[in-house]
Amino acid sequence: AQSVAQPEDQVNVAEGNPLTVKCTYSVSGNPYLFWYVQYPNRGLQFLLKYITGDNLVKGSYGFEAEFNKSQTSFHLKKPSALVSDSALYFCAATDSNYQLIWGAGTKLIIKP
Amino acid sequence: KAGVTQTPRYLIKTRGQQVTLSCSPISGHRSVSWYQQTPGQGLQFLFEYFSETQRNKGNFPGRFSGRQFSNSRSEMNVSTLELGDSALYLCASSLSGTSTDTQYFGPGTRLTVL
Repeated sequence: AQSVAQPEDQVNVAEGNPLTVKCTYSVSGNPYLFWYVQYPNRGLQFLLKYITGDNLVKGSYGFEAEFNKSQTSFHLKKPSALVSDSALYFCAATDSNYQLIWGAGTKLIIKP
Repeated sequence: KAGVTQTPRYLIKTRGQQVTLSCSPISGHRSVSWYQQTPGQGLQFLFEYFSETQRNKGNFPGRFSGRQFSNSRSEMNVSTLELGDSALYLCASSLSGTSTDTQYFGPGTRLTVL
């Protein structure tokens, strides 16, 4: 079965430190990859997407993600975390029918 | 440009009742998707509408249905509510619903079934 895995339920980072939220996928073909963020009591907000081209994708709020085809990963990164980055982060990938498959989400906690 | 709006934001129903949720997409967006979000199951796709036609459907029972109007507004209906239907229901719109399109989400409707 095609799937998207976010191996960490929660990631804790000190403010100012770099952060990484991991995402790996198992889908057929060449998927399109997305990251979304959800703040409490809010809908999901788009951060960035990889369609083709440069493996490093830059997105909103200083986030970036690196596509690694050999490792089938699309990790989300930010050089310096802010307390306001604390939220729930979702990775998604298109399957062989170009339907989105969502990861379970990773709760990111940035401590002052 | 106004974002995706969903009404109502909160809803409390009892088992056996039915409920209708509404979603107004971003102006110009013709594709509307619905998702169910629960702590245990995460984000699950319900269905997608484009130009008043259901294009894709997730793995949910027939109690879950939807429709889209000519102005792209969409409604979803859940009949014979069960306790397990308690969830945050999210609506997302995109220009054309293609696989590269970015989806823009509304704030959700939190449904509690007692």
